[in-house]
Amino acid sequence: GQQLNQSPQSMFIQEGEDVSMNCTSSSIFNTWLWYKQDPGEGPVLLIALYKAGELTSNGRLTAQFGITRKDSFLNISASIPSDVGIYFCAGQPAFQGAQKLVFGQGTRLTINP
Amino acid sequence: GAVVSQHPSRVICKSGTSVKIECRSLDFQATTMFWYRQFPKQSLMLMATSNEGSKATYEQGVEKDKFLINHASLTLSTLTVTSAHPEDSSFYICSARVANFETQYFGPGTRLLVL
Repeated sequence: GQQLNQSPQSMFIQEGEDVSMNCTSSSIFNTWLWYKQDPGEGPVLLIALYKAGELTSNGRLTAQFGITRKDSFLNISASIPSDVGIYFCAGQPAFQGAQKLVFGQGTRLTINP
Repeated sequence: GAVVSQHPSRVICKSGTSVKIECRSLDFQATTMFWYRQFPKQSLMLMATSNEGSKATYEQGVEKDKFLINHASLTLSTLTVTSAHPEDSSFYICSARVANFETQYFGPGTRLLVL
């Protein structure tokens, strides 16, 4: 099935550093969503994007819906230990006609104190 | 708002038995719910789309007679793993879609271990 290319697959950073991750696709999307998943838990919605070019912030998190509708990025500023986890991008492809989301493979974030 | 619960959070069963997992939207009505399966260190794999009052739509390769889905109300969907076998052991997660938006809110997941 269709997948999103999410990168990087993993990140090892120092506490306080900024983080950037992105997702790309060969086809256009109507919606981009960013989730965070902690071990043994379900994904938690961080940011939802509905329009091309939209830039949305949620505290230290900022995400953008790419103008071409084929990509999105998530930035985390001044990382803290509780930011550790797996981040997933997800999107609803245009022209799909269904309600399903397509997911990226995840970015595993590790923070050294 | 947009809270989704799952029950049970963890279940251990013997091979050959059936297990039912409940997914509830607590503070909103969800005409559509989704069931995912997640293997360790992998992304979520969609199993089926559950629409209230109609039959579920299963993804390719997912056995509908093995994974029975019922969506009897706007706040409840159930997944029954029938005649469970050790290979069915996994993390099962449901999500609910808010009407008129493509945003999905996920439950906390159910860890199934089949002995």
